[in-house]
Amino acid sequence: AQSVTQPDIHITVSEGASLELRCNYSYGATPYLFWYVQSPGQGLQLLLKYFSGDTLVQGIKGFEAEFKRSQSSFNLRKPSVHWSDAAEYFCAVRRDDKIIFGKGTRLHILP
Amino acid sequence: GAGVSQSPRYKVTKRGQDVTLRCDPISSHATLYWYQQALGQGPEFLTYFNYEAQPDKSGLPSDRFSAERPEGSISTLTIQRTEQRDSAMYRCASSLGGGQFGEQFFGPGTRLTVL
Repeated sequence: AQSVTQPDIHITVSEGASLELRCNYSYGATPYLFWYVQSPGQGLQLLLKYFSGDTLVQGIKGFEAEFKRSQSSFNLRKPSVHWSDAAEYFCAVRRDDKIIFGKGTRLHILP
Repeated sequence: GAGVSQSPRYKVTKRGQDVTLRCDPISSHATLYWYQQALGQGPEFLTYFNYEAQPDKSGLPSDRFSAERPEGSISTLTIQRTEQRDSAMYRCASSLGGGQFGEQFFGPGTRLTVL
């Protein structure tokens, strides 16, 4: 079965520090992968997506993610976080015409 | 409209009552999705529409749940005889569709609480 695993429920980093959020997927073919961010009281916003081609994808708000087929991973990174990045982040994979979401990682930022 | 809107934003109801949630997608978008998001979980697929057609409703948890999109624009999600386990955030999303899997734009959600 296709699934998405985000092993970290909560992550805390200091403002200005680098960030990496982990995501692993299970799927037989080349997956379509996504990262979404959900801020309090807001809908989900697409940060970036991978369909094919270059395995390092750039997104909005300074985020990037790298697709590693050998590790079945699609980790999200940011070189320097800002207090406004505090939110919940969801990794997701396309299956047929629907998106399957992970359970999310809540990011806390220390001043 | 400029974005996906949902109403009401919050709904509190008593167990056994019926509720209807509304989604107004981006006007040019052919495809509309409904998700259920329990506290501490990611959104889970319920059903989707291509215009007024409903190709997949495999995610609807029981026959108490139904969705419509009669004119291919606004959609409603109805839960009959609500139960406490139905308490969740219900999210709607729309995308251009037309055979291409495009970005889904999400609405703010409806928080349903069943007492």
